Amino acid sequence: DIVMTQSPDSLGVSLGERATINCKSSQSVLYSSNNKNYLAWYQQKPGQPPKLLIYWASTRASGVPDRFSGSGSGTDFTLTIRSLQAEDVAVYYCQHYYGPPPITFGPGTKVDIK
Amino acid sequence: QVQLVQSGAAVKKPGASVKVSCKASGYSFTSHYMHWVRQAPGQGLEWLGVINPRGGSPTYAQKFQGRITMTMDTSTSTVYMEVSSLRPEDTAVYYCTRDPISYSTSGCFDPWGQGTLVTVSS
Repeated sequence: DIVMTQSPDSLGVSLGERATINCKSSQSVLYSSNNKNYLAWYQQKPGQPPKLLIYWASTRASGVPDRFSGSGSGTDFTLTIRSLQAEDVAVYYCQHYYGPPPITFGPGTKVDIK
Repeated sequence: QVQLVQSGAAVKKPGASVKVSCKASGYSFTSHYMHWVRQAPGQGLEWLGVINPRGGSPTYAQKFQGRITMTMDTSTSTVYMEVSSLRPEDTAVYYCTRDPISYSTSGCFDPWGQGTLVTVSS
């Protein structure tokens, strides 16, 4: 199984500042035949289900503000929140969907206001 | 709009079974795979399996093989997930979630149902 790790575990960021979350997979999730990274990011606020933010490592889902961006390839990925807003306080998860099951998630990164 | 509405919370004793439903609306039910994911209290996300509403056998995470059964009713656009031989560690919020790609599977999830809390306690 592909193991997903995230860093840091938690992050305190001032309003308007940048938040950066890292995600690493235990093996590459880049599919060479289509050059796509099978990596997604989700945001989960307390008491709510997760919400898809980014798929194919860098494509924003519909309706997601452009302050959210994803980057990386292969085994190393980053979610950046360009200018943190109060409503961005949440736990963020990366997830791979490469190859045969199981699909696995990272352990999550909690983002708070500093 | 696309909506996934799940059944209500359940409390079960160890060894019992629970069946959670997920009713889809706002799109063509048979055109999108449906996944199930669970989240234990204060913990992360765990993928359980996927069902293709056009038919064929569901695919389950190996950890749950033999204990999970996913089924569907196309006449009501509803998918079901049953977990048997429940243990206290199965206490979690169970989510259904749709694969956003039509007639194929990408493996990412959008949107999600509201979640169903299943509590296993004697």
